[in-house]
Amino acid sequence: DAGVTQSPTHLIKTRGQHVTLRCSPISGHKSVSWYQQVLGQGPQFIFQYYEKEERGRGNFPDRFSARQFPNYSSELNVNALLLGDSALYLCASSGRSINYGYTFGSGTRLTVV
Amino acid sequence: AQSVTQLDSQVPVFEEAPVELRCNYSSSVSVYLFWYVQYPNQGLQLLLKYLSGSTLVKGINGFEAEFNKSQTSFHLRKPSVHISDTAEYFCAVSDNDYKLSFGAGTTVTVRA
Repeated sequence: DAGVTQSPTHLIKTRGQHVTLRCSPISGHKSVSWYQQVLGQGPQFIFQYYEKEERGRGNFPDRFSARQFPNYSSELNVNALLLGDSALYLCASSGRSINYGYTFGSGTRLTVV
Repeated sequence: AQSVTQLDSQVPVFEEAPVELRCNYSSSVSVYLFWYVQYPNQGLQLLLKYLSGSTLVKGINGFEAEFNKSQTSFHLRKPSVHISDTAEYFCAVSDNDYKLSFGAGTTVTVRA
């Protein structure tokens, strides 16, 4: 079975641009979460979606948005990119509760120049 | 709101020596506790988790951790490390079922 897949693996954007990151969960998982990991820090929670509804949102500005599709894949969108948005963006999938099985993808490395 | 403190940012250790990574958490409610490992340029892999029951939890690759409610700690141990254990280790806590709060991480460097 395929694990959590994220695309692209790396990308470079210019300040002010917009970016879309994509995530496909493990088959059977209906929940997708997004985390931002700045170099040298632990991951920070951005969003969780379950059954296409937002269940939780972390302390991130409105420039960050996400959605989940009927096939449970997800997109994370970031508008008006800042240098500080440079990070590894991790996607994780699970069943309804993350406490019983939470699998992370390898991440998308975003560099803003 | 919960928070996690990993008391050591870097831990150098010789091969075949024991290692302990310290983690303290703060939360006003019951929590679930996790340890993850991250190898360079990779995502997070679950080592072990505490949900309930026995306070000594055994995980993959010979790691174990002990939950201590009175000290609000969840320290990770391995009796004998290998070069391949060189990685970043993250302690995390959840007091709900939809998000994790992570510590800042501990870099373990195993030397021959």
